[in-house]
Amino acid sequence: NAGVTQTPKFRILKIGQSMTLQCTQDMNHNYMYWYRQDPGMGLKLIYYSVGAGITDKGEVPNGYNVSRSTTEDFPLRLELAAPSQTSVYFCASETNRDSNQPQHFGDGTRLSIL
Amino acid sequence: GDSVTQMEGPVTLSEEAFLTINCTYTATGYPSLFWYVQYPGEGLQLLLKATKADDKGSNKGFEATYRKETTSFHLEKGSVQVSDSAVYFCALPSNAGGTSYGKLTFGQGTILTVHP
Repeated sequence: NAGVTQTPKFRILKIGQSMTLQCTQDMNHNYMYWYRQDPGMGLKLIYYSVGAGITDKGEVPNGYNVSRSTTEDFPLRLELAAPSQTSVYFCASETNRDSNQPQHFGDGTRLSIL
Repeated sequence: GDSVTQMEGPVTLSEEAFLTINCTYTATGYPSLFWYVQYPGEGLQLLLKATKADDKGSNKGFEATYRKETTSFHLEKGSVQVSDSAVYFCALPSNAGGTSYGKLTFGQGTILTVHP
């Protein structure tokens, strides 16, 4: 029972490099989310998707891009890594817009930009 | 807009002590309320939830009651264990600008450390 799977778990990047954080879920959930977690700040929404082919910006989208070509996958792209993007990134999914149901989270990707 | 405020942390307790982590919220209407827990090196897991006023959510010995009058959802446990050491987040689902996605608004998190 995999749930939400994120790869890699850890990554160190140099300023200006690019990378893609992978997220896949096997629960056939329509809604998927990317959050970043900074110390003492809770989680902030970067991007979200309500289904394959549909994505939109969250609270802190600058410096990131996403795509949703399939229901299962929701990768997050950093084009020009900056030190301010050092954070822990979490992907989450939920089945529909029922606010009584919880979001399911992956284990996170810890990213350092040096 | 919607917001969640948690008590300042971190919290350090001895095993078998009583735990309270305060959470208050500002929201339109009466949304469901959640407590999530994050164990070291892991993602967030739903700990408990309440879907309407006066509901009590409970799980693993933790409890929280949805108080509409005080807009609060405080987390309590009567006797904590070392294994409860984690970060605890209060959260509520909210619509920003009338959009239909299930954005979660989180509190800043409270680090709990329990010593033997």
